[in-house]
Amino acid sequence: GENVEQHPSTLSVQEGDSAVIKCTYSDSASNYFPWYKQELGKGPQLIIDIRSNVGEKKDQRIAVTLNKTAKHFSLHITETQPEDSAVYFCAARALSGGGADGLTFGKGTHLIIQP
Amino acid sequence: EAQVTQNPRYLITVTGKKLTVTCSQNMNHEYMSWYRQDPGLGLRQIYYSMNVEVTDKGDVPEGYKVSRKEKRNFPLILESPSPNQTSLYFCATSLAGAVFSYNEQFFGPGTRLTVL
Repeated sequence: GENVEQHPSTLSVQEGDSAVIKCTYSDSASNYFPWYKQELGKGPQLIIDIRSNVGEKKDQRIAVTLNKTAKHFSLHITETQPEDSAVYFCAARALSGGGADGLTFGKGTHLIIQP
Repeated sequence: EAQVTQNPRYLITVTGKKLTVTCSQNMNHEYMSWYRQDPGLGLRQIYYSMNVEVTDKGDVPEGYKVSRKEKRNFPLILESPSPNQTSLYFCATSLAGAVFSYNEQFFGPGTRLTVL
């Protein structure tokens, strides 16, 4: 089945700086890569996603890049703000494993924005 | 307001005492799923349901049961809880669960369970 590795597990950046979280996946058949943000005491919420036929997608301060050849994708947050502090999960969808919708999650990155 | 609700939000129980965590959604979604979240392990799927009366095992189903008698509800049942089931549990729903679909998963607020 699919295996998703996420790094780093904790990331601390100064407010206003950029943050990058990286994920790798194992199944070349995966075609959908969502990113979820989990704020303290809440459930994860989708913030951006990318499909395998696209190399990059941007939504205001956040962007996701995908390298299918290397099987890795990254989340980029620019001009970080205090409200960006949260746990971020990447996920990949494959044909096998992870339930009928095939989502396999990374272990999460705790992003800390220092004032 | 579209939402996924879970009850209870917090529960402390003892080994062997049967419990049920409820999940309800008002979005008319076909697909529902249960995850557990543990430090350093991320989100792992326990069970999922493609539609009413259709359920299947996820990655970590041991010790859990589910049922899907109505479209809006998907309860998680622990017949004989053990301390290793102490965790944070999330219910999630999406419009449909077909492979290669791009439907967003909506998560509930979570249930923190402690088994003593």
